[in-house]
Amino acid sequence: QVQLLQSGPEVKKPGASVRVSCKTSGYTFNAYYMHWVRQAPRQGLEWMGYINLNSGGTNYAQKFQDRVTMTGDSSINTAYMELSRLTSDDTAVYYCARDAGIAAFRTLYFDNWGQGVQVTVSS
Amino acid sequence: DIQMTQSPSSLSASVGDRVTITCRASESISSYLNWYQQKPGKAPNLLMYATSNLQSGVPSRFSGSGSGTDFTLTISSLQPEDFATYYCQQSYSIPLTFGGGTKVEIK
Repeated sequence: QVQLLQSGPEVKKPGASVRVSCKTSGYTFNAYYMHWVRQAPRQGLEWMGYINLNSGGTNYAQKFQDRVTMTGDSSINTAYMELSRLTSDDTAVYYCARDAGIAAFRTLYFDNWGQGVQVTVSS
Repeated sequence: DIQMTQSPSSLSASVGDRVTITCRASESISSYLNWYQQKPGKAPNLLMYATSNLQSGVPSRFSGSGSGTDFTLTISSLQPEDFATYYCQQSYSIPLTFGGGTKVEIK
């Protein structure tokens, strides 16, 4: 079955960067887009962007455009999201979420999610 | 960006009740509206896509309707496992955006 297993919690200081991983199994890794969504404490969901794991092409939300990098490593079926210049506002749970559509049939909604990674930014 | 507004933000209901949650888009999104259920400490789970299509494995007591700017998620007979927070999400244009959520609590 499809599984997305994310890395463990992170504590970072303001100004630092964090890289979160999302190891996938149960499907063809580069046949699907991967999205990243975050959720601040007691808040709603915020889409950060996606990566086409076949081409490496990305589409980032403008809010994160200059601070986020999404990549994938098909040799180990793992997607990554790196966020730089962290502030306390970046304290949130970060999810990877698979696009529900295969290959060219991207749907822009999410049928499988990782368990989430708590990222805490504190001095 | 398309703003998604859900109402109510929370509601209290009893097992067996019929529950309706509303989601409104700031501009027309055709039928590109999806619903997720999230339980505390867990990732969201896709319930419904393209307004009214039930995701595999989701009980038929969930249904969705609407088009353009106004959409609803209905639970025909609330079950104990349905107490959760529900989010709508538009997939019409980037950036993808979510509603603020509706928390369904036990009365």
